[in-house]
Parts: sequence; C-alpha cells; structure tokens
Amino acid sequence: DAGITQSPRHKVTETGTPVTLRCHQTENHRYMYWYRQDPGHGLRLIHYSYGVKDTDKGEVSDGYSVSRSKTEDFLLTLESATSSQTSVYFCAIRTGTENSPLHFGNGTRLTVT
Amino acid sequence: GENVEQHPSTLSVQEGDSAVIKCTYSDSASNYFPWYKQELGKRPQLIIDIRSNVGEKKDQRIAVTLNKTAKHFSLHITETQPEDSAVYFCAAQGTTDSWGKLQFGAGTQVVVTP
Repeated sequence: DAGITQSPRHKVTETGTPVTLRCHQTENHRYMYWYRQDPGHGLRLIHYSYGVKDTDKGEVSDGYSVSRSKTEDFLLTLESATSSQTSVYFCAIRTGTENSPLHFGNGTRLTVT
Repeated sequence: GENVEQHPSTLSVQEGDSAVIKCTYSDSASNYFPWYKQELGKRPQLIIDIRSNVGEKKDQRIAVTLNKTAKHFSLHITETQPEDSAVYFCAAQGTTDSWGKLQFGAGTQVVVTP
C-alpha cells in the first residue's frame, strides 16, 4: 500500500459543515495528490503537492483547499460541504520522481446529507 | 490540457475469451500511460504501464499497445478469469507536466462470466 493511510475511512456530514480528510505517508515522498471518484467520471484531480507548502490546483478544485505543513501529511478541506461533494476521495503518492508510478491509498467515502 | 477517452464503458466476456479496452488521448506530448484495476470497494492498483518509447509491453496475460501517431493505447487481457472482473482505468501524463499529474479515463467495467 506504499505506506499511505487515509482517515477517516467513512464520514457522513451535513451540508454547510467543514470537513477535513487526512492523507499520511510514512516514507517522505515528495509528490502527493487528492483525487475524487464518481461514477462515469473516473478519477479527477482536486489538488496536488510537490513538497512542503508547495501545492496547486487540479481540474476540480472549487470548494476544496489543501495544506501540507509536513512532508508526511497532506490535508484536504471542504470549507462548506455540499451534496455535490459526496464522493470517494483517494490520496495518491509517487514513490520517486514525477515520472514514477502513482500509488493510491484506500480511500475515504464521504457522504454529505 | 490532456483529455482521455475510454471505451467501452462496460464489457462482458466469457471466461477464457480475450478482453480489449481502448483509450485515446489528446496531448501529443504525453509520454506515460498506466493502467489501473479497481475491484469493488478497493483502491485502484497499477497493473501495467507503458512509456512512449515503447510500442508494446506484456506481463503474463496482460498486454498494452501504444500507437503514438493515432494517439491511442489499448489494454489486452487474454484467457480471462473470473478474478479479472473489475473496473479498469487508463491514464495519460504529458511531458509538459512536471508535477506528475495523470489524466484518467472514465473507466471500463469488465465482467467475466464462467
């Protein structure tokens, strides 16, 4: 599993509440990514990071923010959750350079009611 | 940016037959093409990948082919088995992207019937 831990694994929250998902890695890899998975859309990139405090937006970043204050942790925050953000969220890392294979965590299933 | 299209969206095959999934990409500068398999309720897992300097790669019953001129690549699974049932995703990464971002296709649900 490339040493990736996502927490929580499941969460149910109400519309308008803030939510933070955590991705933790144990091996100090540089490149980390947050994807969301929805039926018919595959995996879509939300935000990514190429080092501590170095982050950038992906294709579906609206309504999300991220932080990476330590190499091992990449946090995804939904500032004010909406029903359209109900999804499965996957963290992924590259175990080498930006051209090395991408490995996924086990995912967080988020339901916004 | 890169755009990846994947076909078919669902594929049913008899056990022992072959399965083929096709993807097209838009960015001619793309140079890395991985394939992921995702079983129900699990994370996507890399099963095979190919780089643009190679036209074909095989790993046991799985093979991937790449046609750079036509900008398409395909996954071939031979002698399918029930455990091949899963969702398969193709992806592409461009050389102009220095941050390793992958663009994924929408996925193909493969069902292998005994």
